[in-house]
Parts: sequence; structure tokens; C-alpha cells
Amino acid sequence: AQKITQTQPGMFVQEKEAVTLDCTYDTSDQSYGLFWYKQPSSGEMIFLIYQGSYDEQNATEGRYSLNFQKARKSANLVISASQLGDSAMYFCAMREGPWASGSRLTFGEGTQLTVNP
Amino acid sequence: NAGVMQNPRHLVRRRGQEARLRCSPMKGHSHVYWYRQLPEEGLKFMVYLQKENIIDESGMPKERFSAEFPKEGPSILRIQQVVRGDSAAYFCASSPPERTKNGQYFGPGTRLLVL
Repeated sequence: AQKITQTQPGMFVQEKEAVTLDCTYDTSDQSYGLFWYKQPSSGEMIFLIYQGSYDEQNATEGRYSLNFQKARKSANLVISASQLGDSAMYFCAMREGPWASGSRLTFGEGTQLTVNP
Repeated sequence: NAGVMQNPRHLVRRRGQEARLRCSPMKGHSHVYWYRQLPEEGLKFMVYLQKENIIDESGMPKERFSAEFPKEGPSILRIQQVVRGDSAAYFCASSPPERTKNGQYFGPGTRLLVL
């Protein structure tokens, strides 16, 4: 079974509008972490935002926010006021188990976001 | 503080040759991870190392692939007798010993092309 599912292979949004990228996850651990990364066409992996399973509030980082619904096991990324530079592949990832710096990440298949002018 | 460094950025090999990919973690980071990204796919975990130890190699193919992180010098991912299916982007990530919100810091990747 997929541990991280991103159901949207591609998404389009108009510049300055908000967009939500979906991510659902599957784990039996009580302690876990969820990450979003951006991969532009240049190929590097850029960390965007993190949500811990015990964090009571949804994470926010500038124009990025994470809509964390624990009971539904979803961790959707919301990008507000989209910019042309937001066009990229976006990956959701999960770290399972209690926090330790030595925990592998499991990635979804990604969503290709295109921002139209 | 320099980020995670990987070299080479691009590597071309013919079938049957060996590929050596290097990763220098961020200063102060003692944990290194290797991931592989096949075309049009997400990253897949390969191996997790600490200095001189392999901690988790559950994602490594059983043959031809090996990894090390010596006491001195970069971490090396070695692929022997490469085949066309090894063509992919290989990412290295590092993390410090202590807890960090950002998780793992990724290098720019090495794009391996096998002819």
C-alpha cells in the first residue's frame, strides 16, 4: 500500500490565486512528521514546510500553509497568492516513528504545479 | 555554511562501467541519506549512514550498489557494472545529530546517464 498518496499529477492555477495540493498518508505510528518539498525544473529539492503529528496548530511558512487533518490522514499544502516562480513539482513526504535525525523519508509521486500569468 | 555538496552534477557512463557519486554533508552533520529519483517519479530511499556505519540499507538493490561514509571524506555511492535502468537522479541528504525542524537538507543531486 502506498504510504504517501498525491492524487493530482498536475495542477494549474492563475497567478495571484491560491491553490491546494493534496496529500494523504498511511501510518500506524502515533509519532510522525510530514514535509513538503519543491523541485523546480533545475532539479534541486527545496524544503518548504513541516508538520509534526503532535503539533496542535497547522504549520505556516510565509505563503505556504499546511492543512493538517489527522483523523483523515491528510496534509494538504496551500499556496496563497501564487507566483510564476511557484511553477514546479511538489512532493509530500513522511518520516515515521519518534523524532530522530536518523529517520528515512517516504515520498509521494509528486504534483506538477503550473502557474499561469 | 555551505550546503550539502554532491559531485559530479552530471555523470555519463557506458553499460558495464562503474559510477561513483560523492556527497559532502553540511558542516556538523553526521547523518547521510541517499535517495534515487527515476524519471517522472518521486524520490525513493536507498540507504542511511552515519560515520563509518551503515544504519539502514533496506532500499539498496541487492547487487552492484554499495555505499560508505568514512571517518574522513565524503560519502560515496558506488554502482558497479551500470545498466540503462540505473539512469536516474541520485540525491544525497544530511541531517545533524540533534532534532531539527527542517528534517533533511538535500544536495543538488547527481544525474546519472547510462548509455
